[in-house]
Amino acid sequence: DTEVTQTPKHLVMGMTNKKSLKCEQHMGHRAMYWYKQKAKKPPELMFVYSYEKLSINESVPSRFSPECPNSSLLNLHLHALQPEDSALYLCASSQVPPTDGYTFGSGTRLTVV
Amino acid sequence: GDSVTQMEGPVTLSEEACLTINCTYTATGYPSLFWYVQYPGEGLQLLLKATKADDKGSNKGFEATYRKETTSFHLEKGSVQVSDSAVYFCARSGYSTLTFGKGTMLLVSP
Repeated sequence: DTEVTQTPKHLVMGMTNKKSLKCEQHMGHRAMYWYKQKAKKPPELMFVYSYEKLSINESVPSRFSPECPNSSLLNLHLHALQPEDSALYLCASSQVPPTDGYTFGSGTRLTVV
Repeated sequence: GDSVTQMEGPVTLSEEACLTINCTYTATGYPSLFWYVQYPGEGLQLLLKATKADDKGSNKGFEATYRKETTSFHLEKGSVQVSDSAVYFCARSGYSTLTFGKGTMLLVSP
């Protein structure tokens, strides 16, 4: 299996809602990442998990809460988001260190209304 | 810190034209180098990679050579197709993450 699967593909949520984004990989990778991408911009790193432990948090607001239940799964819990949080959220996985690059999922298109 | 600089776009070409997208990187350590492609509404896909100096990565007619002396990894294709229209990101590996360039949009017209 050479894929990273993200669900849902699209999500519309209100500013008072709580939702979760999910990511799954079965490539045996031990690092997983969340990125945020706005239109016409490169992906911005949010969080890195290495061996199921949070290793990097790029000063992301607490309304975004990551979770890594096991080596194959990565979640991003969302609460009280703002309209400016609307973006494409990308999950990726890699070996540690990422010398062979990342494998990305197809992303979740999030719209906050 | 690590950085990647790539030419700004959009790059607009006619079908069957030659493509070059320039990319340079900071030379700290011994990075691997990558080109990713992103089609509209999709995630990033690894297009090609090179792990050491003088390596040439290639895939789907695209090529890039790891040039340590010029700290460059330019993406080339001899004859582009309409289906190559996408955003292309150059990236280098670091200790724990990849560093991406800002992306170059390629538009190919029939």
